[in-house]
Parts: sequence; C-alpha cells; structure tokens
Amino acid sequence: QKEVEQDPGPLSVPEGAIVSLNCTYSNSAFQYFMWYRQYSRKGPELLMYTYSSGNKEDGRFTAQVDKSSKYISLFIRDSQPSDSATYLCAMSYNTNAGKSTFGDGTTLTVKP
Amino acid sequence: EAGVAQSPRYKIIEKRQSVAFWCNPISGHATLYWYQQILGQGPKLLIQFQNNGVVDDSQLPKDRFSAERLKGVDSTLKIQPAKLEDSAVYLCASMDGGNTEAFFGQGTRLTVV
Repeated sequence: QKEVEQDPGPLSVPEGAIVSLNCTYSNSAFQYFMWYRQYSRKGPELLMYTYSSGNKEDGRFTAQVDKSSKYISLFIRDSQPSDSATYLCAMSYNTNAGKSTFGDGTTLTVKP
Repeated sequence: EAGVAQSPRYKIIEKRQSVAFWCNPISGHATLYWYQQILGQGPKLLIQFQNNGVVDDSQLPKDRFSAERLKGVDSTLKIQPAKLEDSAVYLCASMDGGNTEAFFGQGTRLTVV
C-alpha cells in the first residue's frame, strides 16, 4: 500500500463548477501538506502549503487538512479552463519541502 | 528571476546505452533535488544535494544511476546502462535554505527503446 493515495480521476467539470480533489495518507508522521499543479509537459508548481489541521484559503483555492482522519483536500471554486492540469498532493515530515512523498495525481479538465 | 533550467528536454536512447541530464538551479539555492516521474505517477525523489554534498540518496539505484554537483551549483544525473523501465521524466528542483518551497524545472523526458 502506498503511503499517499490520491483519487485517480480523471475529472471533467464544466466551467464555474466547484472541484474537490482528495488524498489520504497512512503515515501520521507527515506534518506538512502541499498541493502542486502540473501542466502538460511542465514541472510541478506549488499551489498551497499548510501545516496544521483546518482550512487555508488563497483566492479560489482552499486547502483542507484533517490529521485525525489522515485526509487532505483541495477545493477550487469557480473553476476555469486554465485550471485544467494534473494536481498532485505531497507530504513531508519537516520543512524540507523538496523531500516529499507525492500522490499519483488527479487530472482535471474544465470545459468552457 | 530565472527558473530551474534543465537540458535536454527530450532524449531517446536504446537500452544499455548511457545518458546524462543537466540541471542549473535557481541562483543561490543551496538545495537541489532530482526526481523521477513515471507516466501516470507522482514524482519520486532520487537524490538530494545540499551545496555539493549528498544529503539523501537512499532511493537512487546506485548500480546504474549516479549524480554529482561538483561546485555546488549545476548538477548532472547519469544512467548507465539504461533499462526500458527508466523511461520517465527526470525533474530537477531547487530550494532556498530558508524557504519551504521547491521550484521545479520542466524536466527531461527520457524514452528508452
């Protein structure tokens, strides 16, 4: 069993929809939680970074962490075609963010 | 600020051949990572450098993979000899010591035939 499991998708939604992307993890030692966006043939780019349980909002994006359930989510409000990409969750034991364990990604398509 | 530069962008080789990838991190970033991303999977860390020293290479298949960062700036990752299962995108990332964000390059897409 993988340490980090991510809903595989793919996910296709109409423009303006609310999108929910989810990951579960098995190792309670993970303390830092990240969401990356990866466009086709590009490297991942960091979207959100959070440490504690609860919600963190940045524009149309909200990251949610529930450490008791070992479950994290990323919500995208008012989704746009430009949000079409693969979303990767990642987790690390400490602030060494590059030394992260990644999920396998969920590919999202937002249709105009 | 220039991003992480990687070359080549694409490489096709036959199995048992050797190949090398190059990475130039963001200026001033002491930490450099190499990842392997197989199609349909998330990136998997291969090796982490701090300046020119190796911090973690526990996931690097050392029988065929090697990496160096001689002057603490640029880095090369080599595979010799390549196997079919090495087909993947090889990503380089760098991080400032005081930061919690790793910046990724565009990657080198390797196809082994």
